[in-house]
Amino acid sequence: NAGVTQTPKFRVLKTGQSMTLLCAQDMNHEYMYWYRQDPGMGLRLIHYSVGEGTTAKGEVPDGYNVSRLKKQNFLLGLESAAPSQTSVYFCASSHALRGLNTEAFFGQGTRLTVV
Amino acid sequence: LAKTTQPISMDSYEGQEVNITCSHNNIATNDYITWYQQFPSQGPRFIIQGYKTKVTNEVASLFIPADRKSSTLSLPRVSLSDTAVYYCLVGDAADYKLSFGAGTTVTVRA
Repeated sequence: NAGVTQTPKFRVLKTGQSMTLLCAQDMNHEYMYWYRQDPGMGLRLIHYSVGEGTTAKGEVPDGYNVSRLKKQNFLLGLESAAPSQTSVYFCASSHALRGLNTEAFFGQGTRLTVV
Repeated sequence: LAKTTQPISMDSYEGQEVNITCSHNNIATNDYITWYQQFPSQGPRFIIQGYKTKVTNEVASLFIPADRKSSTLSLPRVSLSDTAVYYCLVGDAADYKLSFGAGTTVTVRA
């Protein structure tokens, strides 16, 4: 069972470079999320999607763009990387949040360093 | 989303019961309470969810008083492997978003 898979797992970028993080889920989930986690802190929501073709901003969207062209994939893009974007990025997915027993499944994270 | 408040850290010893209380004074009628666990270098993992009274599964118990303004996650007989960060989330289906606070770092010592 693959669940939620993030690609790549590690990456080092130079300031100003661009890159795309890929999140793929095989559970037919409607909702997908991108978070960042800085050392000693909780997760902060960057962007999320409630369905194919739709995206919305979270708490810290500046400097990031996302796309959800296919239901199973959610892409996070950094157009011009900055050192402040050094972080661990987590992707998650869930069924539409209706009622009890609705849980989000997380990927293993992408550790990004911008130098 | 209802704001949550939980202790920053807690220490315990193997075999003890750990209780983490989360305050959510502004919880709405349609809100559920959910707890996640995060080990170092891993993504969070769902532990338990409830609406009122008590919920128990193979991992933990969740106690929710009648006024629902707080909830307590209970971890029975912890082991070293229970050392993790525990997050309390409150929200309903209309929120769409999962918002995590700083969580409670639980350290279990031998």
